[in-house]
Amino acid sequence: GAVVSQHPSWVICKSGTSVKIECRSLDFQATTMFWYRQFPKQSLMLMATSNEGSKATYEQGVEKDKFLINHASLTLSTLTVTSAHPEDSSFYICSAAFRDTQYFGPGTRLTVL
Amino acid sequence: GNSVTQMEGPVTLSEEAFLTINCTYTATGYPSLFWYVQYPGEGLQLLLKATKADDKGSNKGFEATYRKETTSFHLEKGSVQVSDSAVYFCALSDGGNAGNMLTFGGGTRLMVKP
Repeated sequence: GAVVSQHPSWVICKSGTSVKIECRSLDFQATTMFWYRQFPKQSLMLMATSNEGSKATYEQGVEKDKFLINHASLTLSTLTVTSAHPEDSSFYICSAAFRDTQYFGPGTRLTVL
Repeated sequence: GNSVTQMEGPVTLSEEAFLTINCTYTATGYPSLFWYVQYPGEGLQLLLKATKADDKGSNKGFEATYRKETTSFHLEKGSVQVSDSAVYFCALSDGGNAGNMLTFGGGTRLMVKP
C-alpha cells in the first residue's frame, strides 16, 4: 500500500517550453503533497507544499510563477515548469502524506536543451 | 530550527559486513524519525520509522532505535548484501502529522562489494 506514481519518468524539452509533471497517490487520498528537487549526489531540496483545494506554499527562493503547482484532487498534484531553461534540468521528486509518513514517487528526470 | 546530520560517505563494505550509519538530529518537541533509501535513478523508499523515544524501527534486516537522550537514530544491519548498495537518508518530521515537512540529512552512499 501507499504507492505514489509520477509521470513522466523522464522528459527532454527545448529551452523556452513548458513541462508538466504529474504526481498521483494510487491507493490512498493525500490532502498534502510535496515537491522536491534533487541535484546529483545531493540531498532533496523542498520546493513547495501542495494542499488540495488551496494554493501551494513555496519555499524561500523558489519562483512560484516558474514552478506552477496545482493540487486539483486528493490523488493528483501537478508541477509545471514554465519557460524551462537548462538550469532547470534536475531530478524532481514528489511525495504524498499518508497517516504519519510521507511516501515518495519514483522521480522525474528533466533535461532542458 | 530542525536539522539532521549524517555521517558522510561513501561507506564501502564487503558483503556480509556489519553496517552502521550514524544519524543525529536537532529538533524542538518530539519529532518522528525516518530512514529512506534511494536506489540509483529512483525516488525514495521508506525503509523504517520510529515515532517516539525508545521505539525501534526495523525492516529487511535494517533497524534503528530512537534515542532521545543522545538525539540519535543510527541505522544498523548485521550482514549487508550487494543489493543494499544505495543512498540512505535520515529524516525527521516535527510532530506526528505527515503533512509536516521532512528535514533530511545529506545522505550516505553505501557501496557493498562482493
